[in-house]
Amino acid sequence: SAVISQKPSRDICQRGTSLTIQCQVDSQVTMMFWYRQQPGQSLTLIATANQGSEATYESGFVIDKFPISRPNLTFSTLTVSNMSPEDSSIYLCSARDRENTEAFFGQGTRLTVV
Amino acid sequence: AQKVTQAQTEISVVEKEDVTLDCVYETRDTTYYLFWYKQPPSGELVFLIRRNSFDEQNEISGRYSWNFQKSTSSFNFTITASQVVDSAVYFCALSDMDTGRRALTFGSGTRLQVQP
Repeated sequence: SAVISQKPSRDICQRGTSLTIQCQVDSQVTMMFWYRQQPGQSLTLIATANQGSEATYESGFVIDKFPISRPNLTFSTLTVSNMSPEDSSIYLCSARDRENTEAFFGQGTRLTVV
Repeated sequence: AQKVTQAQTEISVVEKEDVTLDCVYETRDTTYYLFWYKQPPSGELVFLIRRNSFDEQNEISGRYSWNFQKSTSSFNFTITASQVVDSAVYFCALSDMDTGRRALTFGSGTRLQVQP
């Protein structure tokens, strides 16, 4: 199994600022993903983080708002840019290795924008 | 397109009661994986089970059991003799394999409250 560490675990940010969330996996993984969970809601995929190339974004999410990096097979970052209160959510990093393994999740970053 | 439906928004039971959480899915793929996760109040996602589309055997793990019925596109989760520690939000999720998409599509979740 893989262990995923996310930093920070929580933050309170001012509107208009940006926050970068880090995701570190303790082993090399094929695929990494970023999800958003708005208060009381389910998880929604933001994007697939591709190693060495631009992330693949889901409908409704754009690179300018959620730039993602993945410099290697164990690390990724998600930036929430120009934040507004509507961005207050839990952001979760996920990783999958081979196709028949479970999807591992970090503990999440609980973001509050004021 | 994939879809996962958890029609039960919230369920409340008294400790030691059995409870079943329903999950119905839609996919055009012939090969896919189904998952259940538990999210306690602390917020982390706890993996419970993964089942592939070719394995319709029901599974039991302690007080937990899962009933996969491909004919009705359902993957229901039963907790036997529920305990207060089972109180959490439970998510059912689907991962298609034929299209190469590996991200999970989640249902809306079922909040389970187990009263002492």
